[in-house]
Amino acid sequence: KAGVTQTPRYLIKTRGQQVTLSCSPISGHRSVSWYQQTPGQGLQFLFEYFSETQRNKGNFPGRFSGRQFSNSRSEMNVSTLELGDSALYLCASSLIGPGGGGYTFGSGTRLTVV
Amino acid sequence: AQSVSQHNHHVILSEAASLELGCNYSYGGTVNLFWYVQYPGQHLQLLLKYFSGDPLVKGIKGFEAEFIKSKFSFNLRKPSVQWSDTAEYFCAVDSAGNKLTFGGGTRVLVKP
Repeated sequence: KAGVTQTPRYLIKTRGQQVTLSCSPISGHRSVSWYQQTPGQGLQFLFEYFSETQRNKGNFPGRFSGRQFSNSRSEMNVSTLELGDSALYLCASSLIGPGGGGYTFGSGTRLTVV
Repeated sequence: AQSVSQHNHHVILSEAASLELGCNYSYGGTVNLFWYVQYPGQHLQLLLKYFSGDPLVKGIKGFEAEFIKSKFSFNLRKPSVQWSDTAEYFCAVDSAGNKLTFGGGTRVLVKP
């Protein structure tokens, strides 16, 4: 079965621009969460969506937003990019309910802001 | 807020040596616990998870972890490491049911 798919794999953007990252979860997984990974801060939770509703949000500024579609695919958007937003953005999907609870991660999107 | 501590940032050992990585968390309630591994250039992969039941959990590639509730710990072990175990290991805790809090990671280098 296909894993978690994130597109694009790499992005280079300029400060002040905005960016949209995409995540397709494992088929049947309705929970999608996003994480930022940097050398300095490690892995930090951004937000989680389930059935198109944001259920939890991390401590990131409002420039970071996301959404989930009816097919469980999710996008995250970062507006007014800053140099510090350069990071690996990881998406994880999870099966909620019996037999679930584990999180499967995608390969990530590496964003470089110049 | 929930926090997760991994006490060793870097570990260097030789093949066939035993490995133990420490993980402590701060939340006193019910938690789900995970260990993930990130091999060089690859994505995070689940090694093992604990939700309930037997506190000694066996995972993939010969890894196991022990949940000690009284110590808020979930230490990872492998009796005999191989060069291919060179990777970064992350402990993670889910206390909200939909959010992972990660430790800072431990880089393990296994010398052949």
